[in-house]
Amino acid sequence: AQRVTQPEKLLSVFKGAPVELKCNYSYSGSPELFWYVQYSRQRLQLLLRHISRESIKGFTADLNKGETSFHLKKPFAQEEDSAMYYCALRGYGQNFVFGPGTRLSVLP
Amino acid sequence: ETGVTQSPTHLIKTRGQQVTLRCSSQSGHNTVSWYQQALGQGPQFIFQYYREEENGRGNFPPRFSGLQFPNYSSELNVNALELDDSALYLCASSPGGIEITGELFFGEGSRLTVL
Repeated sequence: AQRVTQPEKLLSVFKGAPVELKCNYSYSGSPELFWYVQYSRQRLQLLLRHISRESIKGFTADLNKGETSFHLKKPFAQEEDSAMYYCALRGYGQNFVFGPGTRLSVLP
Repeated sequence: ETGVTQSPTHLIKTRGQQVTLRCSSQSGHNTVSWYQQALGQGPQFIFQYYREEENGRGNFPPRFSGLQFPNYSSELNVNALELDDSALYLCASSPGGIEITGELFFGEGSRLTVL
């Protein structure tokens, strides 16, 4: 079965502090993992995908197949990073499975 | 470039009724997928259409059905509405067919309330 878990519903950090949003998945194959983000009053949009191995807005995420994790990290949080973050997996049949989301609040 | 548009934005129905939600895909996109997002949860995949054919379906009963038109716009129909169908329904389009890039372009959603 395909499943994505995000253990934290809410994560609050101070501006300038490091951020790590946790994501674990279950999938019996080679998954494609993504992070989607929804800023206030905006649409859900792609932040980054693991195959690109890129840094977007200072965020990075590494796929760890041994731990079945795809945690999102940023060394220094900014207030504009406050948003809802969803980890997603694309598996069988090209379907996307989204996690429940973590709300990141960056305090001044 | 016009983004994904959905209508209506909000609607209220009663149990047992039927509803149709509409979605216009982003220009140049021929794949449309629908998601249900209940309060406090992530989007849950309903189904996907590519060039007017359904090519993927999530764990939803047959009373959830859809269509994709030649211009790649799409409809989601839900029959015999139940209280648990109350949710935000998101439409997402993407370019390409089976090998989509992984970037879904979402609309703002249609919020359905079933009383």
